[in-house]
Amino acid sequence: TQLLEQSPQFLSIQEGENLTVYCNSSSVFSSLQWYRQEPGEGPVLLVTVVTGGEVKKLKRLTFQFGDARKDSSLHITAAQTGDTGLYLCAGRSVGNEKLTFGTGTRLTIIP
Amino acid sequence: DAGITQSPRHKVTETGTPVTLRCHQTENHRYMYWYRQDPGHGLRLIHYSYGVKDTDKGEVSDGYSVSRSKTEDFLLTLESATSSQTSVYFCAISPLGAGNTGELFFGEGSRLTVL
Repeated sequence: TQLLEQSPQFLSIQEGENLTVYCNSSSVFSSLQWYRQEPGEGPVLLVTVVTGGEVKKLKRLTFQFGDARKDSSLHITAAQTGDTGLYLCAGRSVGNEKLTFGTGTRLTIIP
Repeated sequence: DAGITQSPRHKVTETGTPVTLRCHQTENHRYMYWYRQDPGHGLRLIHYSYGVKDTDKGEVSDGYSVSRSKTEDFLLTLESATSSQTSVYFCAISPLGAGNTGELFFGEGSRLTVL
């Protein structure tokens, strides 16, 4: 079983601050996705990264895939209360139909 | 929004009773998945299907069975529910499979409590 460890598990910061959350594994992934989940709802895809070293930006969110395709990070600039939620990374191995999810980072932005 | 409906959304049952959760999609996607979500564990795959009557086990399949007799429906059955199966269950669908970066579309979840 491939494990994806996310850190920190919980993060609570003031509105306007910057933050980074991490997703790490000892396994190599062909692609990695980040999802965001709000209470009472299912996760929703934010981004997919497929190339080692790839950086994608989605407004104030910046996603990076590690060079070795074993890890990823999500950086949020000037956090807003609307960013509050559970952030999940998920990796797909080459030739694998299954997506392995990380343990999640629960982010709370304080007004 | 992807057309995924889970039922029931909430269920309380007693240990030893059978339980069936239903996932219905209107997207005609090939792949369907059942995950469970528990604090500190993220989402863990129970079973998945890659076509009608084609299913395979995930990482936490013990105590669960699935069936897919039609493209649109994927059923998850707990033959004899145990308290350790108290969880929130999510169905997901995807138009793509192996070798692709397919997005998963999730249902709203089914909260199961086993007393």
